[in-house]
Amino acid sequence: EPEVTQTPSHQVTQMGQEVILRCVPISNHLYFYWYRQILGQKVEFLVSFYNNEISEKSEIFDDQFSVERPDGSNFTLKIRSTKLEDSAMYFCASSVDSRGYGYTFGSGTRLTVV
Amino acid sequence: AQTVTQSQPEMSVQEAETVTLSCTYDTSESDYYLFWYKQPPSRQMILVIRQEAYKQQNATENRFSVNFQKAAKSFSLKISDSQLGDAAMYFCAYLDSGTYKYIFGTGTRLKVLA
Repeated sequence: EPEVTQTPSHQVTQMGQEVILRCVPISNHLYFYWYRQILGQKVEFLVSFYNNEISEKSEIFDDQFSVERPDGSNFTLKIRSTKLEDSAMYFCASSVDSRGYGYTFGSGTRLTVV
Repeated sequence: AQTVTQSQPEMSVQEAETVTLSCTYDTSESDYYLFWYKQPPSRQMILVIRQEAYKQQNATENRFSVNFQKAAKSFSLKISDSQLGDAAMYFCAYLDSGTYKYIFGTGTRLKVLA
């Protein structure tokens, strides 16, 4: 069964450093998403991406965050200057369309900011 | 704004028994989708079942079924013949058909007792 692949599975970074989280969505999917889950809390929407541009973003997704699909297969989330409160599990997801079939989530990247 | 509420932080069920997880939501939309996701200790988000709001018939996937009450804005998950592998965090989610983003509940941790 096709999978969404995320790398790395765990990343530790120093506060103030830039991090890039990488995702390879399912090849025929057109919609891409990032969500995050702070430990013990619910999963929160960050951003959706379609046709090489952001479709929707949450209030969490401020100027410190950016997304990119640099080469037609990877989908990346960049955090420019990490804060302690950015420590969370980050999930990438993709879907074949925008309605109702549900996403396929990746297995997540655990980001720890120290 | 849409909200999703899961009022049971934790539930326990005996192996082979049946358990029902509750979810209520609030929306002014008439067209939307509802989902249950399972998050095992690996923290991957796994789609369990989906329901289209325009369908009156309750969705069923093997041992998993839902009780969708649109007027009451209720969407409960029933797990029959519970297995040890069902132990996980279960998230109810609402898919906003305008923004195509999920709104998740806070989750219910299901323990399966041998």
